Amino acid sequence: EAGVAQSPRYKIIEKRQSVAFWCNPISGHATLYWYQQILGQGPKLLIQFQNNGVVDDSQLPKDRFSAERLKGVDSTLKIQPAKLEDSAVYLCASSLERQLAYEQYFGPGTRLTVT
Amino acid sequence: AQSVTQPDIHITVSEGASLELRCNYSYGATPYLFWYVQSPGQGLQLLLKYFSGDTLVQGIKGFEAEFKRSQSSFNLRKPSVHWSDAAEYFCAVGGLTGGGNKLTFGTGTQLKVEL
Repeated sequence: EAGVAQSPRYKIIEKRQSVAFWCNPISGHATLYWYQQILGQGPKLLIQFQNNGVVDDSQLPKDRFSAERLKGVDSTLKIQPAKLEDSAVYLCASSLERQLAYEQYFGPGTRLTVT
Repeated sequence: AQSVTQPDIHITVSEGASLELRCNYSYGATPYLFWYVQSPGQGLQLLLKYFSGDTLVQGIKGFEAEFKRSQSSFNLRKPSVHWSDAAEYFCAVGGLTGGGNKLTFGTGTQLKVEL
Protein backbone atom coordinates (compact mmCIF):
# COMPACT_ATOMS: atom_id res chain seq x y z
CA GLU A 1 0.00 0.00 0.00
CA ALA A 2 1.30 3.44 -0.91
CA GLY A 3 2.18 5.72 2.00
CA VAL A 4 1.36 9.37 2.61
CA ALA A 5 2.75 11.50 -0.21
CA GLN A 6 3.89 15.08 0.21
CA SER A 7 5.32 17.66 -2.16
CA PRO A 8 7.52 19.50 -2.48
CA ARG A 9 10.13 17.96 -0.19
CA TYR A 10 12.05 21.21 0.17
CA LYS A 11 11.13 24.85 -0.34
CA ILE A 12 13.07 28.06 0.19
CA ILE A 13 11.21 31.38 0.05
CA GLU A 14 11.72 34.93 1.21
CA LYS A 15 9.66 36.41 4.02
CA ARG A 16 6.33 37.88 2.93
CA GLN A 17 6.11 35.45 0.01
CA SER A 18 3.45 32.76 -0.17
CA VAL A 19 3.90 28.99 -0.33
CA ALA A 20 1.68 25.93 -0.64
CA PHE A 21 2.21 22.32 0.38
CA TRP A 22 0.35 19.32 -0.95
CA CYS A 23 -0.53 16.05 0.75
CA ASN A 24 -2.11 12.88 -0.58
CA PRO A 25 -3.11 10.55 2.26
CA ILE A 26 -3.30 6.77 2.22
CA SER A 27 -6.28 5.64 0.15
CA GLY A 28 -9.43 5.26 2.22
CA HIS A 29 -8.17 7.25 5.20
CA ALA A 30 -10.88 9.59 6.43
CA THR A 31 -8.76 11.66 8.78
CA LEU A 32 -5.93 13.93 7.68
CA TYR A 33 -3.59 15.96 9.89
CA TRP A 34 -1.11 18.76 9.27
CA TYR A 35 1.70 19.18 11.81
CA GLN A 36 4.41 21.81 12.12
CA GLN A 37 7.79 20.60 13.43
CA ILE A 38 10.22 23.37 14.33
CA LEU A 39 13.86 22.34 14.70
CA GLY A 40 14.46 20.90 18.17
CA GLN A 41 10.78 20.46 18.93
CA GLY A 42 8.17 17.77 18.54
CA PRO A 43 5.44 18.00 15.92
CA LYS A 44 2.58 20.36 16.75
CA LEU A 45 -0.87 19.78 15.30
CA LEU A 46 -2.03 22.63 13.09
CA ILE A 47 -5.27 21.26 11.69
CA GLN A 48 -7.25 18.03 11.57
CA PHE A 49 -9.78 17.08 8.88
CA GLN A 50 -12.43 14.37 8.99
CA ASN A 51 -13.28 13.76 5.34
CA ASN A 52 -13.65 17.31 4.00
CA GLY A 53 -14.63 18.95 7.30
CA VAL A 54 -12.37 20.61 9.87
CA VAL A 55 -12.36 18.87 13.27
CA ASP A 56 -9.70 20.94 15.04
CA ASP A 57 -7.87 24.05 13.85
CA SER A 58 -7.31 25.63 17.24
CA GLN A 59 -3.54 25.95 16.75
CA LEU A 60 -3.60 27.15 13.14
CA PRO A 61 -2.48 30.81 12.81
CA LYS A 62 -5.48 31.73 10.73
CA ASP A 63 -4.22 35.21 9.85
CA ARG A 64 -1.61 33.64 7.58
CA PHE A 65 -2.22 29.89 7.36
CA SER A 66 -5.06 28.19 5.52
CA ALA A 67 -5.81 24.60 4.61
CA GLU A 68 -8.39 22.78 2.60
CA ARG A 69 -9.45 19.25 1.76
CA LEU A 70 -12.16 19.94 -0.73
CA LYS A 71 -12.99 16.44 -1.96
CA GLY A 72 -12.07 14.65 1.23
CA VAL A 73 -8.94 13.15 -0.27
CA ASP A 74 -5.83 15.26 -0.85
CA SER A 75 -5.14 18.47 1.01
CA THR A 76 -3.28 21.75 0.59
CA LEU A 77 -1.73 23.88 3.33
CA LYS A 78 -0.92 27.49 2.43
CA ILE A 79 1.08 30.21 4.16
CA GLN A 80 0.57 33.79 3.05
CA PRO A 81 2.59 35.85 3.86
CA ALA A 82 5.41 33.77 5.33
CA LYS A 83 7.45 34.88 8.34
CA LEU A 84 10.91 33.81 9.41
CA GLU A 85 9.44 31.82 12.30
CA ASP A 86 7.50 29.65 9.84
CA SER A 87 10.75 27.85 8.97
CA ALA A 88 9.98 24.25 9.91
CA VAL A 89 9.15 20.83 8.57
CA TYR A 90 5.47 20.47 7.71
CA LEU A 91 4.26 16.92 8.20
CA CYS A 92 1.07 15.43 6.86
CA ALA A 93 -0.43 12.34 8.44
CA SER A 94 -3.53 10.28 7.86
CA SER A 95 -5.50 7.65 9.72
CA LEU A 96 -8.45 5.41 8.92
CA GLU A 97 -10.65 7.25 11.39
CA ARG A 98 -10.06 9.99 13.95
CA GLN A 99 -10.17 7.85 17.07
CA LEU A 100 -6.73 7.45 18.60
CA ALA A 101 -6.99 3.68 18.29
CA TYR A 102 -6.31 4.17 14.60
CA GLU A 103 -2.63 4.65 13.82
CA GLN A 104 -1.49 7.90 12.26
CA TYR A 105 0.77 7.35 9.25
CA PHE A 106 3.16 10.19 8.51
CA GLY A 107 4.53 11.44 5.23
CA PRO A 108 8.19 12.45 4.78
CA GLY A 109 7.43 16.13 5.30
CA THR A 110 8.19 19.38 3.50
CA ARG A 111 11.14 21.34 4.84
CA LEU A 112 10.42 25.08 4.54
CA THR A 113 13.14 27.68 4.91
CA VAL A 114 12.07 31.31 5.07
CA THR A 115 14.90 33.82 4.51
CA ALA B 1 -4.08 20.41 29.16
CA GLN B 2 -2.06 17.42 28.13
CA SER B 3 1.73 17.63 27.95
CA VAL B 4 4.78 15.43 27.56
CA THR B 5 8.29 15.84 28.95
CA GLN B 6 11.31 14.05 27.56
CA PRO B 7 14.11 15.05 29.93
CA ASP B 8 16.99 13.81 27.79
CA ILE B 9 17.72 15.79 24.63
CA HIS B 10 20.64 13.58 23.57
CA ILE B 11 21.65 10.07 24.59
CA THR B 12 24.69 8.11 23.41
CA VAL B 13 24.96 4.35 23.89
CA SER B 14 27.32 1.71 22.61
CA GLU B 15 26.04 -0.87 20.18
CA GLY B 16 24.83 -3.90 22.09
CA ALA B 17 24.15 -1.93 25.26
CA SER B 18 20.72 -1.55 26.77
CA LEU B 19 18.66 1.60 26.26
CA GLU B 20 16.05 3.45 28.26
CA LEU B 21 14.46 6.69 27.05
CA ARG B 22 12.41 8.60 29.59
CA CYS B 23 8.97 10.08 29.09
CA ASN B 24 6.69 11.78 31.61
CA TYR B 25 3.20 12.91 30.75
CA SER B 26 0.47 15.08 32.16
CA TYR B 27 -3.13 14.23 31.42
CA GLY B 28 -6.30 14.35 33.49
CA ALA B 29 -7.69 10.94 32.62
CA THR B 30 -6.29 7.60 31.54
CA PRO B 31 -3.92 8.54 28.77
CA TYR B 32 -3.31 7.08 25.38
CA LEU B 33 0.50 6.91 25.08
CA PHE B 34 2.71 6.46 22.06
CA TRP B 35 6.35 6.24 21.03
CA TYR B 36 7.41 7.29 17.53
CA VAL B 37 10.79 7.16 15.80
CA GLN B 38 12.01 9.60 13.17
CA SER B 39 15.05 8.92 11.01
CA PRO B 40 16.70 11.81 9.14
CA GLY B 41 14.55 12.98 6.24
CA GLN B 42 11.79 10.56 7.14
CA GLY B 43 8.35 10.89 8.62
CA LEU B 44 7.48 9.50 12.02
CA GLN B 45 6.94 5.78 12.45
CA LEU B 46 4.91 4.31 15.30
CA LEU B 47 6.95 2.00 17.56
CA LEU B 48 4.27 1.11 20.09
CA LYS B 49 1.20 2.39 21.88
CA TYR B 50 -0.61 1.95 25.19
CA PHE B 51 -4.35 2.29 25.59
CA SER B 52 -5.25 -0.02 28.49
CA GLY B 53 -4.56 -3.43 29.96
CA ASP B 54 -1.08 -4.85 30.39
CA THR B 55 1.23 -2.03 31.39
CA LEU B 56 4.21 -3.56 29.55
CA VAL B 57 3.77 -2.99 25.84
CA GLN B 58 5.76 -4.68 23.09
CA GLY B 59 6.47 -2.85 19.87
CA ILE B 60 8.32 -3.20 16.61
CA LYS B 61 12.10 -3.48 16.22
CA GLY B 62 12.50 -5.09 19.65
CA PHE B 63 11.31 -2.07 21.65
CA GLU B 64 9.08 -2.18 24.71
CA ALA B 65 7.63 0.43 27.06
CA GLU B 66 6.16 0.31 30.53
CA PHE B 67 3.27 2.47 31.69
CA LYS B 68 3.59 3.51 35.35
CA ARG B 69 0.58 5.50 36.45
CA SER B 70 2.05 6.34 39.87
CA GLN B 71 5.04 7.98 38.21
CA SER B 72 3.18 9.38 35.17
CA SER B 73 5.83 7.74 33.04
CA PHE B 74 6.02 5.71 29.86
CA ASN B 75 9.69 4.88 29.37
CA LEU B 76 10.95 3.16 26.23
CA ARG B 77 13.45 0.31 26.51
CA LYS B 78 15.49 -1.98 24.33
CA PRO B 79 17.79 -4.67 25.73
CA SER B 80 20.43 -4.48 22.99
CA VAL B 81 20.79 -1.46 20.71
CA HIS B 82 21.76 -1.79 17.05
CA TRP B 83 23.55 0.91 15.05
CA SER B 84 20.43 1.28 12.91
CA ASP B 85 18.49 2.47 15.98
CA ALA B 86 20.21 5.85 15.79
CA ALA B 87 17.36 8.30 15.25
CA GLU B 88 15.14 10.74 17.11
CA TYR B 89 12.49 9.32 19.40
CA PHE B 90 9.27 11.08 20.34
CA CYS B 91 6.86 10.26 23.12
CA ALA B 92 3.28 11.43 22.67
CA VAL B 93 0.09 11.53 24.70
CA GLY B 94 -3.33 11.45 23.10
CA GLY B 95 -6.62 12.83 24.27
CA LEU B 96 -9.79 14.64 23.35
CA THR B 97 -9.42 18.32 22.67
CA GLY B 98 -11.25 20.84 20.53
CA GLY B 99 -13.59 18.19 19.23
CA GLY B 100 -10.86 15.97 17.90
CA ASN B 101 -8.50 13.33 19.16
CA LYS B 102 -5.18 15.08 19.43
CA LEU B 103 -1.60 13.88 19.87
CA THR B 104 0.74 16.07 21.91
CA PHE B 105 4.40 15.28 21.34
CA GLY B 106 7.43 15.74 23.54
CA THR B 107 10.51 17.55 22.29
CA GLY B 108 12.27 14.33 21.39
CA THR B 109 15.43 12.45 22.38
CA GLN B 110 18.22 12.15 19.84
CA LEU B 111 19.86 8.72 20.10
CA LYS B 112 23.42 8.22 18.94
CA VAL B 113 24.88 4.72 18.77
CA GLU B 114 28.62 4.24 19.06
CA LEU B 115 30.12 1.27 17.26
